[in-house]
Amino acid sequence: SQKIEQNSEALNIQEGKTATLTCNYTNYSPAYLQWYRQDPGRGPVFLLLIRENEKEKRKERLKVTFDTTLKQSLFHITASQPADSATYLCASTGANNLFFGTGTRLTVIP
Amino acid sequence: DAGITQSPRHKVTETGTPVTLRCHQTENHRYMYWYRQDPGHGLRLIHYSYGVKDTDKGEVSDGYSVSRSKTEDFLLTLESATSSQTSVYFCAISDPLAGGPGELFFGEGSRLTVL
Repeated sequence: SQKIEQNSEALNIQEGKTATLTCNYTNYSPAYLQWYRQDPGRGPVFLLLIRENEKEKRKERLKVTFDTTLKQSLFHITASQPADSATYLCASTGANNLFFGTGTRLTVIP
Repeated sequence: DAGITQSPRHKVTETGTPVTLRCHQTENHRYMYWYRQDPGHGLRLIHYSYGVKDTDKGEVSDGYSVSRSKTEDFLLTLESATSSQTSVYFCAISDPLAGGPGELFFGEGSRLTVL
């Protein structure tokens, strides 16, 4: 199976700054990685998917990178807003499954 | 939002009783999953289904069984609930991509407390 590590349990950042979240995988190189947002008491919501052969993917203020040499994905939120406060989950593909990290709780301070 | 509903949303039960959680989708997605989410462990896969009557175990399947008799319904059963099964259970649906499952659409979760 795959192990996903999201090193920061919590991250506080000032409004307007760029938040950077880290995701490391430890075993095989996955076909792709996915990022989800989870608000308290709610189910996770899909944000972005990045394939193994893609270095970078963008969607509005979000950017994801995938470095197979470092076995790492970085998730960036530019011009962060208090509404971006949530837990962000990284997930790696398995054959028919996604392996999730424990998440990073982001708080954007006004 | 993907049409996926879980029931019940909250349940309190006693050790040793059977419990069934239901997941219903209206999106005709092929894959359905049951995850549990616990502090410090993240989301862990219990069982999944890749078609009607086709199911397989995940990483934490002991003490759980599943059934999928229709495309739209995926049931998770705890035959004899234990306190270690106190958790929040999430159902998810997806269609496959080359190399694995596509984006997952999650339900709102079912909070189960076993006393």
